[in-house]
Amino acid sequence: GNSVTQMEGPVTLSEEAFLTINCTYTATGYPSLFWYVQYPGEGLQLLLKATKADDKGSNKGFEATYRKETTSFHLEKGSVQVSDSAVYFCALSTNTGNQFYFGTGTSLTVIP
Amino acid sequence: GAVVSQHPSRVICKSGTSVKIECRSLDFQATTMFWYRQFPKKSLMLMATSNEGSKATYEQGVEKDKFLINHASLTLSTLTVTSAHPEDSSFYICSASNRGGLASEQFFGPGTRLTVL
Repeated sequence: GNSVTQMEGPVTLSEEAFLTINCTYTATGYPSLFWYVQYPGEGLQLLLKATKADDKGSNKGFEATYRKETTSFHLEKGSVQVSDSAVYFCALSTNTGNQFYFGTGTSLTVIP
Repeated sequence: GAVVSQHPSRVICKSGTSVKIECRSLDFQATTMFWYRQFPKKSLMLMATSNEGSKATYEQGVEKDKFLINHASLTLSTLTVTSAHPEDSSFYICSASNRGGLASEQFFGPGTRLTVL
């Protein structure tokens, strides 16, 4: 079956620290992989995506590389800011359908 | 970008009553809308997929008579929780798509927190 496993939070970092949020997946076929971010009181927003192995998605300083050999899509940012405080969801979608499979979400708090 | 709204953002109701949640696409026509449910510290789980003008497709284990979904127009879908019970308390999130539901084209609403007393 299809599933996403995401590191549990909450994660608390100081401003300018390096961020890694781990995400691994199980899927049949060749999924697309996503990171969504949910700021307080707002809906989920697409942060970045990758549709095939070795693709790197990037946006707003965040990066994630689709690693088929390790079935991973870890989210990284070199220097976090207070404004990055949010909940981050890893997700996959199979190419045969339109259903998302979400991880449990990781809450990130960045302190000045 | 595409904006999806939900109303209400929070609702508290008594056990046995029905609650309606609205999902609107504000600046695009949504041919497909999705309803998700999120339990505390759990993943979002897809409940159903609705296409404008047709019956919703429910995921396995979701009671269609309890969670009524209507997608009467290209900008509005509603989820009605009938005869609500405390175990229905949850965070409900909708998403909308104008590209036949392709994964990369879904836009999410802010969610509705339902508490059933």
